[in-house]
Amino acid sequence: AQSVTQLDSQVPVFEEAPVELRCNYSSSVSVYLFWYVQYPNQGLQLLLKYLSGSTLVKGINGFEAEFNKSQTSFHLRKPSVHISDTAEYFCAVSVALRGFKTIFGAGTRLFVKA
Amino acid sequence: DGGITQSPKYLFRKEGQNVTLSCEQNLNHDAMYWYRQDPGQGLRLIYYSQIVNDFQKGDIAEGYSVSREKKESFPLTVTSAQKNPTAFYLCASSIGTGSTVYTFGSGTRLTVV
Repeated sequence: AQSVTQLDSQVPVFEEAPVELRCNYSSSVSVYLFWYVQYPNQGLQLLLKYLSGSTLVKGINGFEAEFNKSQTSFHLRKPSVHISDTAEYFCAVSVALRGFKTIFGAGTRLFVKA
Repeated sequence: DGGITQSPKYLFRKEGQNVTLSCEQNLNHDAMYWYRQDPGQGLRLIYYSQIVNDFQKGDIAEGYSVSREKKESFPLTVTSAQKNPTAFYLCASSIGTGSTVYTFGSGTRLTVV
């Protein structure tokens, strides 16, 4: 069975500081990995995805993530955050099996302080 | 612009009532999904549909029903059998279940009064 663990439920950080949101997964088969962002009372938007190829993936709004197969991690990073980055971030894992199976993590609330 | 429209944005239900949440997409996507979001629990899959006139139960289908009579539409009914329906409901779609990039609607917040 597959699972996704977001290691921090809340991450407070000052504006212009770097941030890392951690995501670990478990799976016995190959995976696709995603980060989505959700602003208050809205749906989720895709930030970035890893399907294959380079393990460093760049997304929108200056975010990037690195796929680490040996550590089964897909941590999200941004070198300098803005107030507007305050939102909830979801890591998701999809397995390449017959049919589909996408699992979302519980979410990490990023709170950027002035 | 293509996208997913959920309506209404806010919905209030009395005890014992059934209510239906609307989800329409104009992306020509084959697959559609309903998720329930509760604080601290992330997204849990209620139902999904891969093609018209076919749908499958997700992890928490009890107390919910769906239909998929048209490719564009995937309404969710929250029945009186759902004991704790207050939540934020999200509809999503993807090109197919083999394509794992989802497009989400803006959600419906359901409150039982």
